[in-house]
Amino acid sequence: DAGITQSPRHKVTETGTPVTLRCHQTENHRYMYWYRQDPGHGLRLIHYSYGVKDTDKGEVSDGYSVSRSKTEDFLLTLESATSSQTSVYFCAISDGLAGSSYNEQFFGPGTRLTVL
Amino acid sequence: AQKITQTQPGMFVQEKEAVTLDCTYDTSDPSYGLFWYKQPSSGEMIFLIYQGSYDQQNATEGRYSLNFQKARKSANLVISASQLGDSAMYFCAIQGGSEKLVFGKGTKLTVNP
Repeated sequence: DAGITQSPRHKVTETGTPVTLRCHQTENHRYMYWYRQDPGHGLRLIHYSYGVKDTDKGEVSDGYSVSRSKTEDFLLTLESATSSQTSVYFCAISDGLAGSSYNEQFFGPGTRLTVL
Repeated sequence: AQKITQTQPGMFVQEKEAVTLDCTYDTSDPSYGLFWYKQPSSGEMIFLIYQGSYDQQNATEGRYSLNFQKARKSANLVISASQLGDSAMYFCAIQGGSEKLVFGKGTKLTVNP
């Protein structure tokens, strides 16, 4: 299994508080992603990173920011959490090898966030 | 932009029978890949199978096969000889010119004994 951990695994917080979720990988993969999963929506991409300090927005980036200062860590920050951000958050990684026919994404175990 | 449509919110199958989970897609990228992931009740996302848009043959991986019909833009997952452990959510996803995956909303498969 790909070495991906997420912390915390569960968090309950209050509206308006800042929250940071951490994704840590030991695979030295170039690409890292943050998704959220909500009933009826599948997984939707929030932000992704294609290298240290290189990030880009996904489909549902409003209200979220990310940072990647090291290859192994990708942080997702909710500057001021809202109830609509209650969700399960998944981190994923891929190696994005040049010339590869495909780049499977490996997923972390997920973080369940509840915003009251 | 890419889009995945999974029209079956839920499917039921008897143990040991085969089942087909539907997936249609839309993309403007000439080269793309299609993925299927399984999510059991424990929550983890498990990669099952991949089909490249230029692959000449349908992908197979053990009891999983992908019925790829490019002209119809469909990439249905076929699970043969269903097992109780196959009960899970199944997601189809597409990857186009970037490294991003776009997922469908999923199909919940229940395997009955």
